[in-house]
Amino acid sequence: DADVTQTPRNRITKTGKRIMLECSQTKGHDRMYWYRQDPGLGLRLIYYSFDVKDINKGEISDGYSVSRQAQAKFSLSLESAIPNQTALYFCATSASGSYTDTQYFGPGTRLTVL
Amino acid sequence: TQLLEQSPQFLSIQEGENLTVYCNSSSVFSSLQWYRQEPGEGPVLLVTVVTGGEVKKLKRLTFQFGDARKDSSLHITAAQPGDTGLYLCAGPRSNDYKLSFGAGTTVTVRA
Repeated sequence: DADVTQTPRNRITKTGKRIMLECSQTKGHDRMYWYRQDPGLGLRLIYYSFDVKDINKGEISDGYSVSRQAQAKFSLSLESAIPNQTALYFCATSASGSYTDTQYFGPGTRLTVL
Repeated sequence: TQLLEQSPQFLSIQEGENLTVYCNSSSVFSSLQWYRQEPGEGPVLLVTVVTGGEVKKLKRLTFQFGDARKDSSLHITAAQPGDTGLYLCAGPRSNDYKLSFGAGTTVTVRA
């Protein structure tokens, strides 16, 4: 079984709809992240959480919110989706105390907003 | 503006040829990581370089960290179709533990 899972894997929605992307991990890591990937722009950090009570904005948090329901679960919400949020979304985890902060990624969610 | 600039953006070569991908920054990094991403999957860590001037080898892949810890390179010898993928460099800045990613280099190795 995969250590980091994301649901759904693909989603097509309409402008203005509320969308939630979910991430679960079995690695026992305390740090979790949400990124979006766009062609030519690489991975950009949306939100990150270093433990259940810690939530931080990344470089592109506008239009997104997150919830850390448990150490193993971190969900990303788009309250009112817009077309420029069409992208590939990745959840990642890492362990605290790691000097190099190696991150482990889920398989991604491809979101299309029409 | 990307904190980490990767070049080239795309690279298409014939099986058996060599290739080099570059990752450059004006900032100092405490370490640099290289990930490979295949279609439909998330990035997977290949290697982490920590010391300025460090060279690490992973079979036919050679990774180098610049002496000033501002740049890195990935060299693939005798590329094979299985090397095809998106190569990403990433690193935490010296004063910031969050990872910054380059835009990636898409490598295609033709059989």
